[in-house]
Amino acid sequence: NAGVTQTPKFQVLKTGQSMTLQCAQDMNHEYMSWYRQDPGMGLRLIHYSVGAGITDQGEVPNGYNVSRSTTEDFPLRLLSAAPSQTSVYFCASSPRRHARYEQYFGPGTRLTVT
Amino acid sequence: ELKVEQNPLFLSMQEGKNYTIYCNYSTTSDRLYWYRQDPGKSLESLFVLLSNGAVKQEGRLMASLDTKARLSTLHITAAVHDLSATYFCAVVNYSGYALNFGKGTSLLVTP
Repeated sequence: NAGVTQTPKFQVLKTGQSMTLQCAQDMNHEYMSWYRQDPGMGLRLIHYSVGAGITDQGEVPNGYNVSRSTTEDFPLRLLSAAPSQTSVYFCASSPRRHARYEQYFGPGTRLTVT
Repeated sequence: ELKVEQNPLFLSMQEGKNYTIYCNYSTTSDRLYWYRQDPGKSLESLFVLLSNGAVKQEGRLMASLDTKARLSTLHITAAVHDLSATYFCAVVNYSGYALNFGKGTSLLVTP
């Protein structure tokens, strides 16, 4: 298993550009989520999904869009990038039933918006 | 709204010393997680605490959970340099799955 994969690892955007951060998992996990990490802020939840076709907003959803058409993939779209979206983005997944309730994090995408 | 507070946010300690990181959260939750993060890396799972009174230990780290006090502790015993990292606690929110994180404790262990 590759686990949770994220692409790209690094990205630089200009203000106003749009892009999609990719997240995929090959563990057949029902739950997937996106977080952003900013210095001194910990990780904050952007959007999450409890299964294909079901998504919900987290703490900081503005400026981001998600969809979940398959169990494996959970892309995060930036509609019109702003400098405030400069951050490190982490995707995570978890099975619905798991004795240890582990959550698996991807390696992250470092995004800079100029 | 579920708030998670860690303290201290920065901790410099000498090798061989003991110390405790505290994690308070504001509303009832089913699960509490501790993660470690090295600079430029992703999060590494340390502990998942599922019930009141749960205690887990791995090497020099021991985590405990008091759900009545809404408090978890991460105790470091006889610190070594390799433990230098940022430690996060996180609590499951209303979704039953997604996490609310503390701001992290940046730990530096010095000779």
